[in-house]
Amino acid sequence: GQSLEQPSEVTAVEGAIVQINCTYQTSGFYGLSWYQQHDGGAPTFLSYNALDGLEETGRFSSFLSRSDSYGYLLLQELQMKDSASYFCAASSPPGGFKTIFGAGTRLFVKA
Amino acid sequence: DSGVTQTPKHLITATGQRVTLRCSPRSGDLSVYWYQQSLDQGLQFLIQYYNGEERAKGNILERFSAQQFPDLHSELNLSSLELGDSALYFCASSDLPGTSGTGELFFGEGSRLTVL
Repeated sequence: GQSLEQPSEVTAVEGAIVQINCTYQTSGFYGLSWYQQHDGGAPTFLSYNALDGLEETGRFSSFLSRSDSYGYLLLQELQMKDSASYFCAASSPPGGFKTIFGAGTRLFVKA
Repeated sequence: DSGVTQTPKHLITATGQRVTLRCSPRSGDLSVYWYQQSLDQGLQFLIQYYNGEERAKGNILERFSAQQFPDLHSELNLSSLELGDSALYFCASSDLPGTSGTGELFFGEGSRLTVL
């Protein structure tokens, strides 16, 4: 089967750093993506890792270890507007078309 | 604005009925994906089409079907509706297997289905 595990909820204070972990189990693997979804909104793409290592995009960074089937999203200098749900998603065969999402991590940023 | 258009935005219907959700992908995107998101749940992958052909299937119920037309728009048909089918249905598109390399999915705003 295919599954992704991530914590259901994380709370942090404004200005802090938070890490959201994701472990995956898929039949074949192309890459790991991260998406942000605010309440009532559509998911929006944050980052993608196909190779091991760290990808940095502004305040957000994402890491992948293919050997450990593990990745994380790192959010720095947290702002109140970062309060949202964050989903990891794994792309797998056929052709990377199948993109399976984790259950999501709800991030609460407190003042 | 992601460029993906979904209609209708809201739909209320009764059990046993049939509905059709429509999706127009971003200009140039050949791949269309359908996801179901129940209240406070994750995104459940239903089905994916590429240039009119089904390429990947998730846990889509037999009561549900989809297709992608020559103009690349897609429709998701839900029949014999049950209370548990109430959810937000998202369509997404991508240029996969395009040149971006990320397979980024661009999501529409979703169609909220309520079955009474």
